[in-house]
Amino acid sequence: DAMVIQNPRYQVTQFGKPVTLSCSQTLNHNVMYWYQQKSSQAPKLLFHYYDKDFNNEADTPDNFQSRRPNTSFCFLDIRSPGLGDAAMYLCATSRGFGFGGLVTDTQYFGPGTRLTVL
Amino acid sequence: QKEVEQDPGPLSVPEGAIVSLNCTYSNSAFQYFMWYRQYSRKGPELLMYTYSSGNKEDGRFTAQVDKSSKYISLFIRDSQPSDSATYLCAMSEDDYKLSFGAGTTVTVRA
Repeated sequence: DAMVIQNPRYQVTQFGKPVTLSCSQTLNHNVMYWYQQKSSQAPKLLFHYYDKDFNNEADTPDNFQSRRPNTSFCFLDIRSPGLGDAAMYLCATSRGFGFGGLVTDTQYFGPGTRLTVL
Repeated sequence: QKEVEQDPGPLSVPEGAIVSLNCTYSNSAFQYFMWYRQYSRKGPELLMYTYSSGNKEDGRFTAQVDKSSKYISLFIRDSQPSDSATYLCAMSEDDYKLSFGAGTTVTVRA
């Protein structure tokens, strides 16, 4: 089945120790997104790639970086995790921008990586 | 004021009951409306998708959008324990950016 895969599902890191989260997709979608979701809160968009074009949300901390080496893979790098960065990190994909009235243009989410910072 | 407001619940209902969920929003430019279901420790999965105002039905699920009131609803008929999850509303103007509600946690008691 075509899907969005995230690894690892659970990640524990130490305060200040860099960590990388991985996302891959078999949907061949052009757009990949990273969201941060804290407990009982709405997912918060950090950034997205449209193909190779990177777009950072204005309020995303500099501590968060991303790489997309090819269509299928996207990585989230947290350079110096703080306790406040403990959250679920969600990867999502979409075919493009704008819905055009088609449900297939909406975003499809992976299962998430739960990050714990000690 | 948040762009999308959603009552966090929690909501607990007996099996077979009708579950009613809703969101209000402030951005009149929103025209695409979605409901996502998120099971514990999983990513959101798209449940319902509606364009502009009106109703949409899919099995036991009905989504309603009232753009004049800036109000959307999701109804779950004949609720099952497997419907126990957090339900997130999301909406968009017609670009990449989804605005989510914080989610309502629903428990259906057997």
